[in-house]
Amino acid sequence: DGGITQSPKYLFRKEGQNVTLSCEQNLNHDAMYWYRQDPGQGLRLIYYSQIVNDFQKGDIAEGYSVSREKKESFPLTVTSAQKNPTAFYLCASSNWEGAMNTEAFFGQGTRLTVV
Amino acid sequence: EDKVVQSPLSLVVHEGDTVTLNCSYEVTNFRSLLWYKQEKKAPTFLFMLTSSGIEKKSGRLSSILDKKELFSILNITATQTGDSAVYLCAVHPQGGSEKLVFGKGTKLTVNP
Repeated sequence: DGGITQSPKYLFRKEGQNVTLSCEQNLNHDAMYWYRQDPGQGLRLIYYSQIVNDFQKGDIAEGYSVSREKKESFPLTVTSAQKNPTAFYLCASSNWEGAMNTEAFFGQGTRLTVV
Repeated sequence: EDKVVQSPLSLVVHEGDTVTLNCSYEVTNFRSLLWYKQEKKAPTFLFMLTSSGIEKKSGRLSSILDKKELFSILNITATQTGDSAVYLCAVHPQGGSEKLVFGKGTKLTVNP
């Protein structure tokens, strides 16, 4: 079945360590996104990528990095520079149909806890 | 700055009630508005609205967009406990960027 897979579902890391969250999609979507969700904050955009080998900062990119070497994959690295990394992270993808963006499809999320 | 505001933030109703969730937005060059339902983890897509005044329906859910007044509503009739979720509104601005701007969501609780 087509969809977006995020792994792992739960991740625990010590403060000061970098950690990479995986996001893979087999929907043949061009665009992929990373969001962070905190209680009462809604979804906030970290990074997005419209095509392979290109990505743009979102609203809260500081302390994060991404790569887009393949269309299917958009991993997110949470670096030690991110001051409040404990959160729920959602990956999404979408495509273009004519001049319109289609709806975004979301992965099941990764809950990162830094201790 | 692009902004999406949802209201109320939280709502508690009884089964069978009808609810209306609100979403207002301020974006440069609006392209589309989307509604999502988030139960435990991943938001699932409900509706995409691009034109004013055209109601979209799916079972007991319906939504409509007013591009003049810059808002959308999501209606749920004859609510069920399974409708309990956070409902997210998002807007796609135009201008080359593909990012979605999300509201904070409305947490709906439907009690038996």
